[in-house]
Amino acid sequence: AQSVTQLDSQVPVFEEAPVELRCNYSSSVSVYLFWYVQYPNQGLQLLLKYLSGSTLVKGINGFEAEFNKSQTSFHLRKPSVHISDTAEYFCAVSDQRGSGNTGKLIFGQGTTLQVKP
Amino acid sequence: DAGVIQSPRHEVTEMGQEVTLRCKPISGHNSLFWYRQTMMRGLELLIYFNNNVPIDDSGMPEDRFSAKMPNASFSTLKIQPSEPRDSAVYFCASSPRLAGGRETQYFGPGTRLLVL
Repeated sequence: AQSVTQLDSQVPVFEEAPVELRCNYSSSVSVYLFWYVQYPNQGLQLLLKYLSGSTLVKGINGFEAEFNKSQTSFHLRKPSVHISDTAEYFCAVSDQRGSGNTGKLIFGQGTTLQVKP
Repeated sequence: DAGVIQSPRHEVTEMGQEVTLRCKPISGHNSLFWYRQTMMRGLELLIYFNNNVPIDDSGMPEDRFSAKMPNASFSTLKIQPSEPRDSAVYFCASSPRLAGGRETQYFGPGTRLLVL
């Protein structure tokens, strides 16, 4: 079964600074990778996803992520954060059994991004 | 589009009572997921359906939990009897299809359950 590790539980950063949220997944032949964001007292919403093709994926709100197969990583980046980016960020990977995907996602434990003025 | 609708948004009950959480997926979506979120365990998948059929319920913690999807526009998650350790936020999510996990899941706002 797949697993996802988000290396930082909390990331404090000042407004307008760059940020990187790290995500590693267990190795597999082919995976689909996702980043979701959860604002306080809300459900999760998709930031971006990697299915195939270009390893640099651009998402909403200025976020991007790079798929690195050799390092089994899918780190999320933003060059300049805003106060409104304060939220919980979840990395997720498609679950696999045998040679196929099950259709469900495996989520990491989440990283709290705290943007300070 | 109304998005995924969950009710109630908040539920406070006493230990031993039956709790029923409700979910209306996005119209036209064929897959539905129930998650539980706690500080200790993070986001856990409890069960998911495809075309109203349960596919995998291995995440359901014990027999006190049950879920149904009688039609494409409605699902319930029931806890009977409830216990304090069931206190959590329960999310419902839907996607157009399973498609091997390629599809985006759209989450509802969640039901915050407190069992006293």
